Amino acid sequence: AQKVTQAQTEISVVEKEDVTLDCVYETRDTTYYLFWYKQPPSGELVFLIRRNSFDEQNEISGRYSWNFQKSTSSFNFTITASQVVDSAVYFCALSEEGGSRLTFGEGTQLTVNP
Amino acid sequence: DGGITQSPKYLFRKEGQNVTLSCEQNLNHDAMYWYRQDPGQGLRLIYYSQIVNDFQKGDIAEGYSVSREKKESFPLTVTSAQKNPTAFYLCASTLLDTGNYGYTFGSGTRLTVV
Repeated sequence: AQKVTQAQTEISVVEKEDVTLDCVYETRDTTYYLFWYKQPPSGELVFLIRRNSFDEQNEISGRYSWNFQKSTSSFNFTITASQVVDSAVYFCALSEEGGSRLTFGEGTQLTVNP
Repeated sequence: DGGITQSPKYLFRKEGQNVTLSCEQNLNHDAMYWYRQDPGQGLRLIYYSQIVNDFQKGDIAEGYSVSREKKESFPLTVTSAQKNPTAFYLCASTLLDTGNYGYTFGSGTRLTVV
């Protein structure tokens, strides 16, 4: 069975600080997909990134970066120079090959204070 | 524009009543999903459907029912058997072609039992 663990329940930082959100996953499949979503107070899920298990190249997109390491089954997410608008709940999720479901972690509530 | 429409946005139910949450997509996606989110928790899968007239139970299907009579529609009924239905409900959809597991989410329905 697949499982996603986000050990950090809440993180609070001051604006302009860098912050890393941790994600550890478990799966028996060799082909799988990892996702990060952002959920602002309004409730909708905003897609941030998808990676497949064959692509361990780390990615940077503006102030966001992702560190995917199969050896440690981790897919961590870093926000550089955080802003108040980054305040939200962030979810890491996993989908297996041919999978019919997206399994979510418990989420990390990020609060960026001015 | 293509997307997923969930309605209503807010729903109030009296104890003992059944209510139906609507989910419609015009993305021509094959699979559709219903998730439940409780405060401070992650998303848990209720039901999902990969083709018309077929659906499978997720992790917390008890007290819920679904139908998939059309590819575009996947309504969720919360029955009186659901002991604690107050929650935020999210619908999602995706294509099932290999290598493209982008999930699209609706904006959610907040159900409250009064």
